[in-house]
Amino acid sequence: GAVVSQHPSRVICKSGTSVKIECRSLDFQATTMFWYRQFPKKSLMLMATSNEGSKATYEQGVEKDKFLINHASLTLSTLTVTSAHPEDSSFYICSARPGQETQYFGPGTRLLVL
Amino acid sequence: DAKTTQPPSMDCAEGRAANLPCNHSTISGNEYVYWYRQIHSQGPQYIIHGLKNNETNEMASLIITEDRKSSTLILPHATLRDTAVYYCIVSGGSSNTGKLIFGQGTTLQVKP
Repeated sequence: GAVVSQHPSRVICKSGTSVKIECRSLDFQATTMFWYRQFPKKSLMLMATSNEGSKATYEQGVEKDKFLINHASLTLSTLTVTSAHPEDSSFYICSARPGQETQYFGPGTRLLVL
Repeated sequence: DAKTTQPPSMDCAEGRAANLPCNHSTISGNEYVYWYRQIHSQGPQYIIHGLKNNETNEMASLIITEDRKSSTLILPHATLRDTAVYYCIVSGGSSNTGKLIFGQGTTLQVKP
């Protein structure tokens, strides 16, 4: 149990375009999901907390207008990178937790902006 | 900033126990200690967590000192597939936002 999926697993896009990444909890409902970013040889950095039915809470330094988060249902959160630029190229990882318990992570989405 | 301190790297012989230490001297009374690992280019995998008592599951054992200021993750019989970055994270407590703040972790290299 406690499986989290992400789609797509990797994406290449042109500079200036927008990219949407989906995060799904497959066998549990998640009122809270989290989005992380990881650069090569670095640790995971928390970007935002996604709450079902309400606005996301962004960490300091993360542009909310650039990284749009929507958590429309108890099993789906989406992260849209708007007007992507090469510096947005990174490994994006989501996590979800059933209630107040342990977080489970998705496999990650590798974004390359050309 | 992460609330934990871990050695940057460790080696372990295949088949031997891997003991990964973690210091969390500022842990509060109701915060949990979580361990995750990340194999290259994958999302982190949950291993185990604990509050005060030692814990064991099919993957590992977690030993927490009585003063809760440090803990050790034990992989009883390390295999090559256990080569990964291991993260010790303190989370929970009265606010319980659920946030996990990752430090640099320990890179465990299991060698044949």
